[in-house]
Amino acid sequence: GQQLNQSPQSMFIQEGEDVSMNCTSSSIFNTWLWYKQEPGEGPVLLIALYKAGELTSNGRLTAQFGITRKDSFLNISASIPSDVGIYFCAGRGRKGGSEKLVFGKGMKLTVNP
Amino acid sequence: DAGVIQSPRHEVTEMGQEVTLRCKPISGHDYLFWYRQTMMRGLELLIYFNNNVPIDDSGMPEDRFSAKMPNASFSTLKIQPSEPRDSAVYFCASSIRSYEQYFGPGTRLTVT
Repeated sequence: GQQLNQSPQSMFIQEGEDVSMNCTSSSIFNTWLWYKQEPGEGPVLLIALYKAGELTSNGRLTAQFGITRKDSFLNISASIPSDVGIYFCAGRGRKGGSEKLVFGKGMKLTVNP
Repeated sequence: DAGVIQSPRHEVTEMGQEVTLRCKPISGHDYLFWYRQTMMRGLELLIYFNNNVPIDDSGMPEDRFSAKMPNASFSTLKIQPSEPRDSAVYFCASSIRSYEQYFGPGTRLTVT
């Protein structure tokens, strides 16, 4: 089945630093989504990408849909303490019109003030 | 607008008991998804509905799990009988026909 490899699994950074994370797939995806989850809450959608090569920003967040369709990355610039959480990538493959998303295992971000 | 609503937020039950989790999707959304999240397995899709009809239940672990969507504004996930290994956080998500799924706050289930 389709799988997503998300790396790194965790990061510890200082406030103000930039952070980058990525997801790769063994198969082609035609949609990439990035979510953030805080303790005790559900994942919150940050950015959605629908075209290969697409680069989209949402405030201090920037995400790109890889041109091979097998990867995506998320950058957070000038991190702040409230960026703490687990970041998930999710992708939708090309098979048969399914609405199913495949999720990565998540990247736990800690920001030291 | 209200987001996806789930109840209860926490459920503690004894092994063998029936558990019912509830979800109200975002108004106007025609897809509804049930997920389970554990440390070991991450987020797993259990089942999803389109226009109240179950489309794919291949993620439902076994016959003890069942899900219904009697109308566009309500869905249930039932576990009968519950087992300790069912302990997890269960999420409901909804979407309009796109891939931008919006998640509820989840129900944390503990089976003792």
